[in-house]
Amino acid sequence: DAMVIQNPRYQVTQFGKPVTLSCSQTLNHNVMYWYQQKSSQAPKLLFHYYDKDFNNEADTPDNFQSRRPNTSFCFLDIRSPGLGDAAMYLCATSRGTPNEKLFFGSGTQLSVL
Amino acid sequence: AQSVAQPEDQVNVAEGNPLTVKCTYSVSGNPYLFWYVQYPNRGLQFLLKYITGDNLVKGSYGFEAEFNKSQTSFHLKKPSALVSDSALYFCAVRDPRGGGATNKLIFGTGTLLAVQP
Repeated sequence: DAMVIQNPRYQVTQFGKPVTLSCSQTLNHNVMYWYQQKSSQAPKLLFHYYDKDFNNEADTPDNFQSRRPNTSFCFLDIRSPGLGDAAMYLCATSRGTPNEKLFFGSGTQLSVL
Repeated sequence: AQSVAQPEDQVNVAEGNPLTVKCTYSVSGNPYLFWYVQYPNRGLQFLLKYITGDNLVKGSYGFEAEFNKSQTSFHLKKPSALVSDSALYFCAVRDPRGGGATNKLIFGTGTLLAVQP
C-alpha cells in the first residue's frame, strides 16, 4: 500500500544528458515537494507545488525543473546533470494545511558518470 | 537564519538502555518541530511533532521528545532501545518563510543511531 512512489529506485545518467525522475501519490495531497539529499548531508528542499502553483527555492539551480501535470504525479527534470548532482532525490507530499506531516517516497538514487 | 543542529553524527547504545538523540534549533517566531527516521534504502518516516501545548510529545514506536524553549532544544528519547531502532534520525523545523498552507521543512544533518544487542 505504498502511498508515495518514486521511480526508478536507481538512475544512472551521463554527464550532461537530461534525466527525469518521477513521483506519484495515492494520498490526494495538495502539496508535493522535491528534496535533494547528498551523502551525510541534510535533505535540502529544491521546490514544491501547492496544487498547480510552483514554488522554487531561491538557491535551486536553473538546471533543475519540475512539472506537475495532475494531482497524482510530479516530475523532476535535470537538464544537464553534473557530477555534483549525484544524490538521493526524495519526493514528499502533505495536506495543504499548516503543520501537517510529510509523507516521503523511498527516493531515487541518481548517479552521474 | 533558520537552522537545525544535530551535534552527534552517531549515537551508540546497548539494547534495553535509554537513548537520547539531541537536536537544537534556531528559528524566528514559534518553532514547529519534527522528528523523522530513515531506515536503509527507505524514505523518511514521520515519528512525532511539537506544535504547541505539552512540552513532552509522544510518537510512534515508543519514541518521545521534549521541547525546551529556554534551551531551544527538542531531544528525541526512548526509555528502552531496541536493535530495530537502529537507523538515521532527522530533526526538522518548519520554515516560517513558507506559506501558511505548505510545510517546508529545514532538516538537520541526521544522527545515526546504532543499538547493540
